Amino acid sequence: DAKTTQPPSMDCAEGRAANLPCNHSTISGNEYVYWYRQIHSQGPQYIIHGLKNNETNEMASLIITEDRKSSTLILPHATLRDTAVYYCIVNSWGAAGNKLTFGGGTRVLVKP
Amino acid sequence: ETGVTQTPRHLVMGMTNKKSLKCEQHLGHNAMYWYKQSAKKPLELMFVYNFKEQTENNSVPSRFSPECPNSSHLFLHLHTLQPEDSALYLCASSQDLPGSPTGELFFGEGSRLTVL
Repeated sequence: DAKTTQPPSMDCAEGRAANLPCNHSTISGNEYVYWYRQIHSQGPQYIIHGLKNNETNEMASLIITEDRKSSTLILPHATLRDTAVYYCIVNSWGAAGNKLTFGGGTRVLVKP
Repeated sequence: ETGVTQTPRHLVMGMTNKKSLKCEQHLGHNAMYWYKQSAKKPLELMFVYNFKEQTENNSVPSRFSPECPNSSHLFLHLHTLQPEDSALYLCASSQDLPGSPTGELFFGEGSRLTVL
């Protein structure tokens, strides 16, 4: 079972910031938070990941609460091409091989 | 273009056929994965290979048989499938080093399989 909880869907206006919440209350100390998105009929695409500090890259910002039990992905200026399903995933590191477990994600619809 | 190429993109097969899905990555990664995405369901991890060795088999039925001849190629051999096996099969790769944070997964575009 996925270790995260996300709202099933949300709308946002083009040009505005989109704030996508994720709850991961059972996250353990060595688990990172990852965000991926899947645009219709394509493979998932990596967005960003973090452990406890806030992170920013050219696609998005990741804000992780101090207790690490929740996080928010921020798309600063949403465009129509950001319409996709966004997945929040927690995963540990150490063993060889990646075992990312995808949940249902949040279906984001960016409207003009 | 993610550097992970899957063929064929679409496949229709009967329940008695034998077919194979192919995945190739040009990224120099050491780990490769098969995921299954059925309609209305989350992605399901099927197999993980690291340095050509299978490190994960997520209780996948034996009618799905993976093969990883080298770190750049991954196959999924299909035989006597059922209609409920119809799905999008996604291949991914990553550079994973023990003791380091999990590398970013790069996914292919997927092979859409229909079993009649």
